[in-house]
Amino acid sequence: GAVVSQHPSRVICKSGTSVKIECRSLDFQATTMFWYRQFPKKSLMLMATSNEGSKATYEQGVEKDKFLINHASLTLSTLTVTSAHPEDSSFYICSARKGGVYEQYFGPGTRLTVT
Amino acid sequence: QKEVEQNSGPLSVPEGAIASLNCTYSDRGSQSFFWYRQYSGKSPELIMFIYSNGDKEDGRFTAQLNKASQYVSLLIRDSQPSDSATYLCAVANNFGNEKLTFGTGTRLTIIP
Repeated sequence: GAVVSQHPSRVICKSGTSVKIECRSLDFQATTMFWYRQFPKKSLMLMATSNEGSKATYEQGVEKDKFLINHASLTLSTLTVTSAHPEDSSFYICSARKGGVYEQYFGPGTRLTVT
Repeated sequence: QKEVEQNSGPLSVPEGAIASLNCTYSDRGSQSFFWYRQYSGKSPELIMFIYSNGDKEDGRFTAQLNKASQYVSLLIRDSQPSDSATYLCAVANNFGNEKLTFGTGTRLTIIP
């Protein structure tokens, strides 16, 4: 199998606070993890690509100091939304890729609401 | 021109009929092709991937790839109401680029 979990599934936070989202590959080692954001009725937007032990590669327009990514092991990547604002409210989804293949397996997503 | 294009739909298909979903891509170097299903409010789920020209069948699903025409499709036979979802086409070029490029998705509705 290829199971990816995310925690929390849903979070509400106040403007100005930081939120950490965890992404874990449960039954395989993920050489690469990806972080996406999806607004209602819109397609997936890749935010960054993360390889274990190295700095994440951010897509154009994504602020690396606002969206901190740590990929500490082959089964865990975290995304921290710092100083969250209401416009950061979105559905954040991670995915993971096994070595040698290109298909990505998605976590269940985290719905962030910033009040 | 968008890199991966899909008709946004909605595509309505009667229950039991064949649903046909299409996707075109612009990068001729693309080598790997994926279909994901996404239910409303949920994350995408991998249905099929295809690397070679021709057809690939898995249960009620058939993926078709034509690299010369830069076209990939997904057929769903014996459509069920549970197939109602948004279907995302994704493409990778396999040349050291780990990213997938996603289309905007086609919303499919199976009518009972």
